[in-house]
Formats: sequence, C-alpha cells, structure tokens
Amino acid sequence: DAGVTQSPTHLIKTRGQHVTLRCSPISGHKSVSWYQQVLGQGPQFIFQYYEKEERGRGNFPDRFSARQFPNYSSELNVNALLLGDSALYLCASSQDLNYGFTFGSGTRLTVV
Amino acid sequence: GQQVMQIPQYQHVQEGEDFTTYCNSSTTLSNIQWYKQRPGGHPVFLIQLVKSGEVKKQKRLTFQFGEAKKNSSLHITATQTTDVGTYFCAGVVTSGSRLTFGEGTQLTVNP
Repeated sequence: DAGVTQSPTHLIKTRGQHVTLRCSPISGHKSVSWYQQVLGQGPQFIFQYYEKEERGRGNFPDRFSARQFPNYSSELNVNALLLGDSALYLCASSQDLNYGFTFGSGTRLTVV
Repeated sequence: GQQVMQIPQYQHVQEGEDFTTYCNSSTTLSNIQWYKQRPGGHPVFLIQLVKSGEVKKQKRLTFQFGEAKKNSSLHITATQTTDVGTYFCAGVVTSGSRLTFGEGTQLTVNP
C-alpha cells in the first residue's frame, strides 16, 4: 500500500514567485494536514482538511492557501515567495481526526 | 498560543545507555503523540497517549502521559545505533485538531 506521496520532492523558486505543492494521502485517509519544517526546528502547523473542509489554519500569512479535492488529495499554494519560506513542507494524512498521522517525505523548497 | 517545550535539545549517549526526553505543554492536552525523524527523513508516528497517567511500551521504548495531561516522557532502554534521530512530541489540545510539535530532542548514539 502506497504511503503519503508528495510532489515535487525538491523545488527552487525565486522571490516573488508562486508555488504549488501536491499531496496524495494514503487510500482511505480523509484528513490531510500541511506542516512547515525549518531546519533544526519542529514542524509548524499550516492547514488541516477533513472531508474536503478546512478544519484549522495555523499562524501563517494569507499568502498561504490550500484545498482538498474530492479524491482527498490536497495542494498547498504559496504566493509572493519570500526567502523565509525556504523549508521542508510536509503533508500528513490520517484515517480519522483522532489517529496518529502518516507523513510524506516532504517537498524541500528553496527560495533564492 | 499553545506551546510545547521539549528537553533536552541534544543528547549524546554511548550505545547501551538509557535515554529520556521530556515534553511539557502550556495547556492541558486531549492527547499527545510521539514521532521519530531520522536525519534527512520525515516524522514517523510512534504512539498516541490519551488517558491521564497512561504508560505504553514498545519493546525498549516507554511512553508516559502525566496525570495532569500536560507533560509526557519517552524513555529508551539500552540505546542502539538504530535509535539515532530526533524525537518529537506533539500535543493536541482539542481532539481531532492540529498537532503542536515540540522542538525535538536530537539523539546521537556512539557505538
């Protein structure tokens, strides 16, 4: 059974550009969350979706947006990229809201 | 906002020694989860604790949830080189809501 898949694995963007990151959860998992992890720190919560509805939003600017599709896959969009957006972006899925999460391998975003 | 503190930040041990990391939340938690992240990898779910005073064991790993549901610990007995990585606790304030991660404890095991 495939795990959580994220694409792309690595990405280099220029300041001011836009980026879209994609995530496919484990089959049957209805909850998808996005986290940002800066080197040496714990993951920081960005968004949570359950059954295609936003269930939570972290302390990130409006440049960050996300959505979940009918097949439960999700994408994270970041506009007007800043150097400080450089990080590992992790997607995590769970079969329900009260279970532990399975994380994908992440997308390493570098903004230059 | 809610904060989760974790100590120590780093721990270096000789293979065979024990290891403990401690986690403390600024608010009462619904549950706490523990994850392990290998260097260059992604967090991997280890366990979820829900009940006050709960203790769970996984082979050499022992997890505890405090009586007040604000603190937790992970203890590894007789560490092995395969235990190397960063251990994160992640608190959940309201069941089903976001994970708030601690800063992690980076464990190094010298053979």
